[in-house]
Amino acid sequence: DAKTTQPNSMESNEEEPVHLPCNHSTISGTDYIHWYRQLPSQGPEYVIHGLTSNVNNRMASLAIAEDRKSSTLILHRATLRDAAVYYCILRDVIRDTGRRALTFGSGTRLQVQP
Amino acid sequence: SQTIHQWPATLVQPVGSPLSLECTVEGTSNPNLYWYRQAAGRGLQLLFYSVGIGQISSEVPQNLSASRPQDRQFILSSKKLLLSDSGFYLCASWENTEAFFGQGTRLTVV
Repeated sequence: DAKTTQPNSMESNEEEPVHLPCNHSTISGTDYIHWYRQLPSQGPEYVIHGLTSNVNNRMASLAIAEDRKSSTLILHRATLRDAAVYYCILRDVIRDTGRRALTFGSGTRLQVQP
Repeated sequence: SQTIHQWPATLVQPVGSPLSLECTVEGTSNPNLYWYRQAAGRGLQLLFYSVGIGQISSEVPQNLSASRPQDRQFILSSKKLLLSDSGFYLCASWENTEAFFGQGTRLTVV
């Protein structure tokens, strides 16, 4: 199963951009790159996903390296509400049936300073 | 979009007692459903998934079991809880390219 590597924690100041990196050197050609974030004592929420091209939505931007072995989640202006654990995830094939699910690593804990 | 309902939100159970956590889904039919567990400060570990009624696959051998008696109902159970079963349990559903999560159940086994 393809794995992702993220820094354990990052800090940012409010109103500044944040770049959250993720390495996924064993990604397969059909794996989508997903980002979720989790606030304390809540379930993860979807942020953004992409396959090859950079993606933008109202929450964030996703920059994907040309070789797809790494990606970066970009929060253009961090707010205090963006403090959360951010997970970079590849869609994994479940071994016995081929169904796809999401496998979560430890993620990056983002702290936003006022 | 979907809504995932989980209950209870918190639970404190003694070692050796049974467990039943319920998850129901609104806004879709025939979803793929998942149970995850999260230990404190850790990532999410996939425990079980189901692609339909009565169809359960386990990812990790353990003290827990899962059942899917109805299309939009997914239940996590244990006959006898262990201390190591403590954690944050999340139910999720997958639709197209997005996963939807419930708010979780924090289980403390004492």
